[in-house]
Amino acid sequence: AAGVIQSPRHLIKEKRETATLKCYPIPRHDTVYWYQQGPGQDPQFLISFYEKMQSDKGSIPDRFSAQQFSDYHSELNMSSLELGDSALYFCASSLRSDYGYTFGSGTRLTVV
Amino acid sequence: GQSLEQPSEVTAVEGAIVQINCTYQTSGFYGLSWYQQHDGGAPTFLSYNGLDGLEETGRFSSFLSRSDSYGYLLLQELQMKDSASYFCAVRTPGGFKTIFGAGTRLFVKA
Repeated sequence: AAGVIQSPRHLIKEKRETATLKCYPIPRHDTVYWYQQGPGQDPQFLISFYEKMQSDKGSIPDRFSAQQFSDYHSELNMSSLELGDSALYFCASSLRSDYGYTFGSGTRLTVV
Repeated sequence: GQSLEQPSEVTAVEGAIVQINCTYQTSGFYGLSWYQQHDGGAPTFLSYNGLDGLEETGRFSSFLSRSDSYGYLLLQELQMKDSASYFCAVRTPGGFKTIFGAGTRLFVKA
C-alpha cells in the first residue's frame, strides 16, 4: 500500500539558510499535517491542511510557512534557520473522518 | 489548551502485561488515540477511543473514561519488539489537530 512520502530524508543546513521539506500524502487522503519532533520529545503540531486550505495552526514559528498544492503534495518552508530548528520533521496524512494519522518516515534536519 | 500526562518510563519482562496510563485536560475532546514509535522511526497509529470503554486490537487494548479524563493502553504477551515509545494523543474538535503527550518509553527485558 502507498505510504506518506517525505523528502529529503536528511538535510544539513547552516544557520540563516533556508530549507524546503516536501510531503506526498497517501492518495485520496484529504488532510495533511506537519509535526516537529526534537530529540526525546513528543511530536509538536505545526500546521494542517484540509483540501488544500490551511485548517489549523500550532506552534509554528513565523519563519516557517507551508502550503498544499493542487496535486495535494505539501511543502514546509523554513527560513533564517536556527540551531534550535534541528529536529525530525514528520508529515502525516489522513481522511478527515479517519481516527488515526499515517506518518511519513520524516526528514531529519540538522542546522550547523 | 490541551495537556496530557503519562509516565515517562515503564519496564516489563517478556510475556508480561503492562498498562500505560494517560490523563488529559482539554478544552475540547474528540477522542483519545495511541501511537507507537520506535527509535528513529515514525509514529504508528495503534488505537482510538471516542467513547467510554475498551477497544481491543490483537495484543493491544485501549480504554477510555471520559468522565475521569483518563485512558490507558494495555499491552499483553509482551515481546522484545514492543520496546518503543508510546504516546497518548487527543484530537481536537474539528479533527484537524492531534496533540501528543510526552510519551512513555517501554523497555521489555528478556
